[in-house]
Amino acid sequence: AQRVTQPEKLLSVFKGAPVELKCNYSYSGSPELFWYVQYSRQRLQLLLRHISRESIKGFTADLNKGETSFHLKKPFAQEEDSAMYYCALSGWEGGSEKLVFGKGTKLTVNP
Amino acid sequence: NAGVMQNPRHLVRRRGQEARLRCSPMKGHSHVYWYRQLPEEGLKFMVYLQKENIIDESGMPKERFSAEFPKEGPSILRIQQVVRGDSAAYFCASSRDRAANEQFFGPGTRLTVL
Repeated sequence: AQRVTQPEKLLSVFKGAPVELKCNYSYSGSPELFWYVQYSRQRLQLLLRHISRESIKGFTADLNKGETSFHLKKPFAQEEDSAMYYCALSGWEGGSEKLVFGKGTKLTVNP
Repeated sequence: NAGVMQNPRHLVRRRGQEARLRCSPMKGHSHVYWYRQLPEEGLKFMVYLQKENIIDESGMPKERFSAEFPKEGPSILRIQQVVRGDSAAYFCASSRDRAANEQFFGPGTRLTVL
């Protein structure tokens, strides 16, 4: 079964500090991994996906198949990065391809 | 493009009543997904629909819950005879095609069952 684990419910850092939001997954096939973000009073939106290998708002995430991880990193956190972050996996299960989400990590960047 | 629309944003029902949640996908999107989010939990997949077809309803409770996406009009998630445990945020998302492409989310409907 597909499963996504985000071990930290809350993460607090100071502005300018590096930040890493952890994500581990379980999937027997070849996964597609995503990070979604929800800023205060806004809807959930895609931040980045592993196949794009791009950096969005200074965030990067590398898929590590050996460790089954897809951690989200940013070298210098900004206050506007404060939000809920959800890691998600897209894979086949139950006859269709679907997204499975982790429980989310609330990131707070303090001034 | 107004994005994915959901209404109502807040819905209060008494136990035993019916709840109808509506979702209008983004223009040009023919794939709709419903998710439920309980407090302190992530989003849980419920059902995946295309126009007039239910593709995957493996995440739907077997009883009282149904979903449709008619040829014309919004997708509807219907909960009959609601119970307190149905209180949650229900999110709809749409995509242009396969699930692995970006899903665009609506603002959600918060259902409270008294």
